[in-house]
Amino acid sequence: SYELTQPPSVSVSPGQTATITCSGDKLGDKNAYWYQQEPGQSPVLVIYQDNKRPSGIPERFSGSNSGNRATLTIRGTQAMDEADYYCQAWDRSTVVFGGGTKLTVL
Amino acid sequence: QVQLVQSGSELKEPGASVKLSCKASGYTFVNLGIHWVRQAPGQGLEWMGWINTNTGNPTSAQDFTGRFVFSLDISVSTAYLQITSLEAEDTAVYYCARGYGSWNNWYFDLWGRGTLVTVSS
Repeated sequence: SYELTQPPSVSVSPGQTATITCSGDKLGDKNAYWYQQEPGQSPVLVIYQDNKRPSGIPERFSGSNSGNRATLTIRGTQAMDEADYYCQAWDRSTVVFGGGTKLTVL
Repeated sequence: QVQLVQSGSELKEPGASVKLSCKASGYTFVNLGIHWVRQAPGQGLEWMGWINTNTGNPTSAQDFTGRFVFSLDISVSTAYLQITSLEAEDTAVYYCARGYGSWNNWYFDLWGRGTLVTVSS
């Protein structure tokens, strides 16, 4: 079955750029999606179709997807961005989630 | 207001059944499928499957066949997830989410708040 691999944790200082990766075989041939989940809350879509931001998502969130890796980038990271982030893709009519990355803003 | 409202927490004994609901409002229910996602305590997101709200056709992920049943009541814009023969490992938060986008390339732009199911004797 298809797998998406994320680093368990990423740390960033306030105001700096956070980069969260998601690796999967030929992931660049698929659409990648990203969700933010704050503690005790439901997931929220932050990036769809590799690099599009839903309305209401700050411009500091951006995405890219090429080769075997999709990347979520958060520029000017704020304390409020501390959360778990999940990538998602489709493979053979099945939704696959990455294992999630805990972003810590130190 | 566009939202998915899920039913309240459940505490069940092993072997029992539970039926969770997910009521949609603020949009045309039959236009967009409803997906179910499980999150065990401290764990990540697992896609369980989805139900086509236009045809009523359910599709289960490989790990969620048999004991997990997706259904609909279009008259009240509500999707259901029934789990039978509950096991301790079914303890989790169950989310419903709206699938938006193109066929087999949906993404989840609207989520319910989740229903906590606790299985314990």
